[in-house]
Amino acid sequence: DGGITQSPKYLFRKEGQNVTLSCEQNLNHDAMYWYRQDPGQGLRLIYYSQIVNDFQKGDIAEGYSVSREKKESFPLTVTSAQKNPTAFYLCASKGLGGTGELFFGEGSRLTVL
Amino acid sequence: GQQLNQSPQSMFIQEGEDVSMNCTSSSIFNTWLWYKQDPGEGPVLLIALYKAGELTSNGRLTAQFGITRKDSFLNISASIPSDVGIYFCAGRYAGNNRKLIWGLGTSLAVNP
Repeated sequence: DGGITQSPKYLFRKEGQNVTLSCEQNLNHDAMYWYRQDPGQGLRLIYYSQIVNDFQKGDIAEGYSVSREKKESFPLTVTSAQKNPTAFYLCASKGLGGTGELFFGEGSRLTVL
Repeated sequence: GQQLNQSPQSMFIQEGEDVSMNCTSSSIFNTWLWYKQDPGEGPVLLIALYKAGELTSNGRLTAQFGITRKDSFLNISASIPSDVGIYFCAGRYAGNNRKLIWGLGTSLAVNP
């Protein structure tokens, strides 16, 4: 079945370490997104990509980096520069051309110890 | 980033009751979406609305795109325990079709 797979589901990291969250989709969607979710704050856009080898900053890109080398994959790196990285991270994808809406993965919970 | 005004923030109801929640914006929207998020999972799209006045149902759920294009509501009839979760509204401005704006969510608890 088509869908989005995020891994790992849970991740613990020490302060000062970079960590990479994986997002893979087999929906043949062109656009992919990363959101951060904190309690009571809803969803905030970190980065998005509408085509391979191109991506744009969202509202809270500082301390994060992404790559889009393949259509199916959009990994997110949480760098040591991100001051408050503990959060629930959601990856989503969407077909272009005005059809369809965001389809989300199951999320990755990052905890910094 | 900008956010929608979604209310109520939380609800605690008895099984079988009807539920209503809404979102408002200060700007005109051309798309309203309603998502549900179960604990520890990603949001799932419930209903999408693209025309002012549009009324759409999905089982026990009904949503409407307000005539003013600045609001939308979601109703759940005869609630059941599995309706528990966070409901998010989201929308796109008429002037910027790419950016999706999110409400802060309505947390629903259902007492069996």
